[in-house]
Amino acid sequence: GQSLEQPSEVTAVEGAIVQINCTYQTSGFYGLSWYQQHDGGAPTFLSYNGLDGLEETGRFSSFLSRSDSYGYLLLQELQMKDSASYFCAVDTGRRALTFGSGTRLQVQP
Amino acid sequence: DSGVTQTPKHLITATGQRVTLRCSPRSGDLSVYWYQQSLDQGLQFLIQYYNGEERAKGNILERFSAQQFPDLHSELNLSSLELGDSALYFCASSVNVGGHNEQFFGPGTRLTVL
Repeated sequence: GQSLEQPSEVTAVEGAIVQINCTYQTSGFYGLSWYQQHDGGAPTFLSYNGLDGLEETGRFSSFLSRSDSYGYLLLQELQMKDSASYFCAVDTGRRALTFGSGTRLQVQP
Repeated sequence: DSGVTQTPKHLITATGQRVTLRCSPRSGDLSVYWYQQSLDQGLQFLIQYYNGEERAKGNILERFSAQQFPDLHSELNLSSLELGDSALYFCASSVNVGGHNEQFFGPGTRLTVL
């Protein structure tokens, strides 16, 4: 079967750095994506890693290690608006994504 | 605004009933995906259509069905509704960016079964 593990909740203060980890066990792996979802909103794409290493997009970075079946999302210079749920998702090659259960990030002043 | 539209935004119905959720993908996207998100849960993949044909199936119940029409809009039909079907239902469409599947989600339909 497919399984993705990520912490259920993370709390950090404004201006800090937070890392959200994701480990996965899937049959087939093409890449790891990260999505952000604010309460009541739709998921929105943040980043994608198809190869090992770090991808940087502004304040957000994402890392992948295929040999460890592990990735993380790094959020820097946290802002209050970053309070949201963050989902890792695996593209297993069937085109649909398998999502983790999400990490709720709470940014405090 | 992702460019994906879903109607209705909210739906309240009773157990045993049948409802239809509608989705229009972004212009040019051929793939449509349906996901279910129960309270404080992740997104469960239900089904994917590509250019009118079923491409992949996830954890979709037999009481649920979907189709994609020639104009590429899609409908998700939920029948014999149960209380546990109450959830947010998202539709997404995708574009292949650099070989990966970036999905754009609609605003969702919140279904409440009473």
